[in-house]
Amino acid sequence: NAGVTQTPKFRVLKTGQSMTLLCAQDMNHEYMYWYRQDPGMGLRLIHYSVGEGTTAKGEVPDGYNVSRLKKQNFLLGLESAAPSQTSVYFCASSTTTGAGNTIYFGEGSWLTVV
Amino acid sequence: EDKVVQSPLSLVVHEGDTVTLNCSYEVTNFRSLLWYKQEKKAPTFLFMLTSSGIEKKSGRLSSILDKKELFSILNITATQTGDSAIYLCAVDKYNFNKFYFGSGTKLNVKP
Repeated sequence: NAGVTQTPKFRVLKTGQSMTLLCAQDMNHEYMYWYRQDPGMGLRLIHYSVGEGTTAKGEVPDGYNVSRLKKQNFLLGLESAAPSQTSVYFCASSTTTGAGNTIYFGEGSWLTVV
Repeated sequence: EDKVVQSPLSLVVHEGDTVTLNCSYEVTNFRSLLWYKQEKKAPTFLFMLTSSGIEKKSGRLSSILDKKELFSILNITATQTGDSAIYLCAVDKYNFNKFYFGSGTKLNVKP
């Protein structure tokens, strides 16, 4: 079972470069999320999606864009990378059950902007 | 404003000790509270606590939810070095499909 898969795992970017993080889930989940994790700050929501073709802003959306063209994929783009975007990025997915949702995470993508 | 606060931020104990991690929340339309363990990579699910399930136990780990006082605790008894990790608390809300995470508690268990 693959679950949630992120690519790439590691990347070094120069300031001003662009890149896209790819996320795929094979659990047929409706909801998908992109979080960033920085030391001492827990997980902060960047953008999320409640279904194919829909996206919404989270807590820290500036400098990022997302797209969800297919239910199983959620892409995170950095148009012009800045050193402040050096972080670990986690993609996640969830679905609604009667009791509540459980969120499942990918392995993380370590991004360094120099 | 919705928020989830965990304490302490970090904790160092020795093997065999018992630890209690705290999570308080101020969230409207509360549905459930979740605990995750994060070692090197992705957070892994530990417990979900809801109105109908306010106490959970799995081996040496247990957790309770106090919906009146708006907090949860995660207890780990007879700690082992393998328990060293960041423990994350998250709250799920009705109708919002988003999870609100605390900043985590970093637990270091020394031999």
